[in-house]
Amino acid sequence: SQTIHQWPATLVQPVGSPLSLECTVEGTSNPNLYWYRQAAGRGLQLLFYSVGIGQISSEVPQNLSASRPQDRQFILSSKKLLLSDSGFYLCAWSDPRDTHMPPLHFGNGTRLTVT
Amino acid sequence: LAKTTQPISMDSYEGQEVNITCSHNNIATNDYITWYQQFPSQGPRFIIQGYKTKVTNEVASLFIPADRKSSTLSLPRVSLSDTAVYYCLVGGPSGNTPLVFGKGTRLSVIA
Repeated sequence: SQTIHQWPATLVQPVGSPLSLECTVEGTSNPNLYWYRQAAGRGLQLLFYSVGIGQISSEVPQNLSASRPQDRQFILSSKKLLLSDSGFYLCAWSDPRDTHMPPLHFGNGTRLTVT
Repeated sequence: LAKTTQPISMDSYEGQEVNITCSHNNIATNDYITWYQQFPSQGPRFIIQGYKTKVTNEVASLFIPADRKSSTLSLPRVSLSDTAVYYCLVGGPSGNTPLVFGKGTRLSVIA
């Protein structure tokens, strides 16, 4: 069966520090990968999605970036964190071969607090 | 992607049936309707998906009228553990389409 791993679960970082969140998927190949952010009490905001290695689409301009160095690995990064980067970050995958609207499968998330 | 509109919040007592309606007037011919459930500090979880008429699984039922411009998620006999945010998404079979969530409906189940 497919599993998605996301770490760390919680993170407290000072303003101006770098960020690296990692997400890996097991049990499938060529997944579509997504990074979402959810601010406190808000809905999910799509940040990045990827349909293949090295292929990244950005939905929201910001000081965050994403990379997909391997087929099942998705990394969210920042060179200098802002207070507004605090939130709940979720990685997800979907199967592009699904003939219907492919369901999203989410990781357990990373709670990031920028101080 | 078709835009969706849901109520911001709903309250219900335990044991009641809850119906959450989602409007999607611009749904395309190839679009499916998918519902997710999200508990605090967790990622959303897939509940049910449908294209037309009625779909039922062990968790919920999804009713879609003939014009497909709306859909209704039905949760039978809710319990306190059904308190969550419910999201309606509409999209096509292309695996390359990014999936954008709206603000969802916050369901509060009261004892």
